[in-house]
This record gives sequence, C-alpha cells and structure tokens, in this order.
Amino acid sequence: DGGITQSPKYLFRKEGQNVTLSCEQNLNHDAMYWYRQDPGQGLRLIYYSQIVNDFQKGDIAEGYSVSREKKESFPLTVTSAQKNPTAFYLCASTRDRGSYGYTFGSGTRLTVV
Amino acid sequence: DAKTTQPNSMESNEEEPVHLPCNHSTISGTDYIHWYRQLPSQGPEYVIHGLTSNVNNRMASLAIAEDRKSSTLILHRATLRDAAVYYCILRDLTQGGSEKLVFGKGTKLTVNP
Repeated sequence: DGGITQSPKYLFRKEGQNVTLSCEQNLNHDAMYWYRQDPGQGLRLIYYSQIVNDFQKGDIAEGYSVSREKKESFPLTVTSAQKNPTAFYLCASTRDRGSYGYTFGSGTRLTVV
Repeated sequence: DAKTTQPNSMESNEEEPVHLPCNHSTISGTDYIHWYRQLPSQGPEYVIHGLTSNVNNRMASLAIAEDRKSSTLILHRATLRDAAVYYCILRDLTQGGSEKLVFGKGTKLTVNP
C-alpha cells in the first residue's frame, strides 16, 4: 500500500548534535511538508517543498534544514542551532493544489538528552 | 496564523451524532475547507474536504454554510474510536503560488461509552 514512512519512530539526541529525520513517500506526490508539534499544541510548519530541488521556509525554520533531491524523499535535519528541539515531528505530502487531501506519516518523537 | 476558529473541546455519547463547528469568516473564494483528525502520538488523518457544496464520505459529512464563513463536520454515529483532536483547516495559497496547511489547536472530542 502507498503511504509515507517516517523513521525512526523515536530518536534521542545529545545537546550540540545534528540529527536527520527521514521521510519517504511512494504516493507519487509532488509536495512534501515538515511540521513540528509540541504537547497540547497544533502543528507548526517548518519547511515545505513543491517540487524536486526546491523548498521554502515555513513559520519556524530556524535551526532546521532540508533537502529535496528526489521526489520520494524529504529529509529534515535538526541542527545544534535549534534551541528546543524536543518535539513530535510530522511529515506530510499531497498531489497538486486544491482538491486533494494531505497524507501524514506516523511521526518521529525527538528527545534531547 | 490559523484562519479558522474551533471550540477547544466537545463531548458526545457513543452512537449519537456529533456536530463539530468551525468558523472561517475570512475565507477566500478559492480556499478549500479541509478536516483532519489526530489520535494521540499519531499523525493526522484526512477526514473530508469541500469547496462550496456539502460533501459526504464513509467517515463523515461536511456541511458548508451558504456564505462559506462556517462549516460543520458531522459524525453520524460516534464511536469510541472517533475520540481525537479534529482540525478544520483552509488550504492557504501563499504568495508565490506555493501552498501549505496552517493548523490551529483543533477541537478535542471526547466520546463517552
């Protein structure tokens, strides 16, 4: 079945380390997104990409970086510049704009230790 | 910022209908209304979306006001598995032609046995 795979499900990072979260989709979707969710809060957009080799900053991009070298993949790197990285990270994708729903992955829970 | 307003929480009894309201008074003519729901520690799940006309699918119905400034998600017979946070979202066509979903805090639905 088609879907979005996020890995790992749980990730622990030491302060000062960079860490990369994986997001892979086999839905042939053009657009991909990264969201962050803190406890009891809604989702906040980090980065999004409409096509390969192009991406835009969302509302909270500081301390994060992304790449989109393949249509299927949109990895997110949480850098040491992100001061409060402990959160639940969600990846999503969709087909062309307007009339299609978004598909979300099951998330990666990142904890800084 | 999110362009929708939802009650923080609602409660229902099992096997009764549930009407989840959403206000979006600044909606533009080309904004689609999307609904998603999220179970704890999972990614959001697409429920339904619409533009102007009421919509039905196997999960729910979406009733859209004639002026499109509000909508209601209808769960015809609530089950315990419908307990989740429900998000009402407008597809936001940002400057430059890219799109992103902007999430508010949603409505936490509690279903009582």
